[in-house]
Amino acid sequence: NAGVTQTPKFRVLKTGQSMTLLCAQDMNHEYMYWYRQDPGMGLRLIHYSVGEGTTAKGEVPDGYNVSRLKKQNFLLGLESAAPSQTSVYFCASSYRREWNTGELFFGEGSRLTVL
Amino acid sequence: SQQGEEDPQALSIQEGENATMNCSYKTSINNLQWYRQNSGRGLVHLILIRSNEREKHSGRLRVTLDTSKKSSSLLITASRAADTASYFCATANSGYSTLTFGKGTMLLVSP
Repeated sequence: NAGVTQTPKFRVLKTGQSMTLLCAQDMNHEYMYWYRQDPGMGLRLIHYSVGEGTTAKGEVPDGYNVSRLKKQNFLLGLESAAPSQTSVYFCASSYRREWNTGELFFGEGSRLTVL
Repeated sequence: SQQGEEDPQALSIQEGENATMNCSYKTSINNLQWYRQNSGRGLVHLILIRSNEREKHSGRLRVTLDTSKKSSSLLITASRAADTASYFCATANSGYSTLTFGKGTMLLVSP
């Protein structure tokens, strides 16, 4: 079992370039999330999905788009990268629970630098 | 906005000592979770405590929850150098499918 896999692990972009981060999970989880982690800021939720074909905005969605065409994949896109998007991006997934949000399973992160 | 806030921001102890980290939050929660992050790695779930629970144990970990004070604590007993990591609390609010993370406590355990 690979769990949650993120690609690429590292990427350097120039301002204005576009790119897509791919997250894949093999645990048949309903919920998937994209967070960014910046020094001194903890983790902040960008977008999330509660099922195939659905997406929703998190705390810091501006400048990002997402898609969940297949249950196991959650893509995060940057259409026109800005230096403020330099960060470490984490994908996570979890089971759907009737009563609340359960534990999250995280990928190893994707370190993005925008010059 | 951050829901949970950990305290202290950094903690340095010797192997064998206990480490206590605290988390305060602002609004009502359904459950509170603690995660560990080793340097350069993803977060790993440690323990989940529901709003109707007051204390929970898992190995050397002990978590308490005081909903009246909107606070939680994580105690790691008999710390080891391998416990060196950042620890985050995360809160789940009723009716939502997301977790809100705090900024974390950096724990350094010296041999």
